[in-house]
Amino acid sequence: EVQLVESGGGLVKPGGSLRLSCAASGFIFSTYSMSWVRQAPGKGLEWVSSISRSSTYIYYADSVKGRFTISRDSAKNSLYLQMSTLRAEDTAVYYCARSLVAPDYTRTYWYFDLWGRGTLVTVSS
Amino acid sequence: EIVLTQSPGTLSLSPGERATLSCRASQTVSSSDLAWYQQKPGQAPRLLIYGASSRATGIPDRFSGSGSGTDFTLTISRLEPEDFAVYYCQQYGSSPWTFGQGTKVEIK
Repeated sequence: EVQLVESGGGLVKPGGSLRLSCAASGFIFSTYSMSWVRQAPGKGLEWVSSISRSSTYIYYADSVKGRFTISRDSAKNSLYLQMSTLRAEDTAVYYCARSLVAPDYTRTYWYFDLWGRGTLVTVSS
Repeated sequence: EIVLTQSPGTLSLSPGERATLSCRASQTVSSSDLAWYQQKPGQAPRLLIYGASSRATGIPDRFSGSGSGTDFTLTISRLEPEDFAVYYCQQYGSSPWTFGQGTKVEIK
């Protein structure tokens, strides 16, 4: 089955750190670019960070730049998000999402055709 | 950053009616790099449309997308009970990728 499964969410105090993981299965992980998208309770979707299939290109939203680090391990079919200096406004469900790469590898189409079910991160004292 | 503004905020319609959702961008979206998603409560978003008008795999043909430049539209030709949900547009032509604030389609 083609799927993404996030883990690592939980309750953390302001200023703390957390590492999210996303396990991919059912497709060739190394041929896709990947992203994290979050959704605060009762709010809309917010893109957080993206990484190209070979990790050559990495992008961050201004709201997390310098605090979050995205990475991937194709040998383990996994995507990660290291989050530090967490703030109350980082409280959200964090989704892992997949993006298609053009057949000639000239670009990634950064829409999200496959999503995980999400993992909840709560930042509170 | 490209800001996407969706309208209306809420659309109250009956099953069988036509739904027209708008997404307006603050700048031209390059290459029509615009997608639409559907999200139901407690679920992850689902891709409906990419490239402004291409339906994703398995999406019924009652869903259609149109537009270019700064104005885009998602149309649901005849609402089915399972279509009542929140819909988001997203541009992916230039970083940061951005989403609209969403349109809720509710049962009238």
